[in-house]
Amino acid sequence: DIQMTQSPSSLSASVGDRVTITCRASQGISNSLAWYQQKPGKAPKLLLYAASRLESGVPSRFSGSGSGTDYTLTISSLQPEDFATYYCQQYYSSYTFGQGTKLEIK
Amino acid sequence: QVQLQESGPGLVKPSGTLSLTCAVSGGSISSSNWWSWVRQPPGKGLEWIGEIYHSGSTNYNPSLKSRVTISVDKSKNQFSLKLSSVTAADTAVYYCARVSRQNWFDPWGQGTLVTVSS
Repeated sequence: DIQMTQSPSSLSASVGDRVTITCRASQGISNSLAWYQQKPGKAPKLLLYAASRLESGVPSRFSGSGSGTDYTLTISSLQPEDFATYYCQQYYSSYTFGQGTKLEIK
Repeated sequence: QVQLQESGPGLVKPSGTLSLTCAVSGGSISSSNWWSWVRQPPGKGLEWIGEIYHSGSTNYNPSLKSRVTISVDKSKNQFSLKLSSVTAADTAVYYCARVSRQNWFDPWGQGTLVTVSS
């Protein structure tokens, strides 16, 4: 099984900040990575797939990068609606999610 | 656009069987997609349960495989989840989701909370 480790598990930031969340796979996953945003009481929402491709309708302040085992999600300038929990998911071999990163307002 | 809606009992007794259905609208379950179940215990992360293709082919999370059955009903455009021998650890919000042809999940249903308690 491929394990996904996200860091940090929680993060406090202010509106306008640039934040980065990392996701490390236990083995190479060839950019087979998606990022989701989840707000309380709601289903996860797809943000990016193939590590760096932005889903239609997602603001361009969200970006993704990485290769091999290490991937990052960056929000260039935090907006109030971005405070949520973020999950990575590998789909290289079956499916595994990271444990989540809760982004809170400082 | 495709929408998914979970339904089923919100309370299941320990050692019983959890049964949920996911109705697909705005598209055909016979499209070239797999269809998945994902769960989320209260305050915790996401866990993939399993998936089904319209042909009936399935894949399951090895950690749950012995207790999980996913089936499809093409005539009703829906798929279902059964999880047997449930315990309190199976208390979670259960989501259904379409698996894209490249294997990410989109869209998701709104989720349904299932509590295991006597």
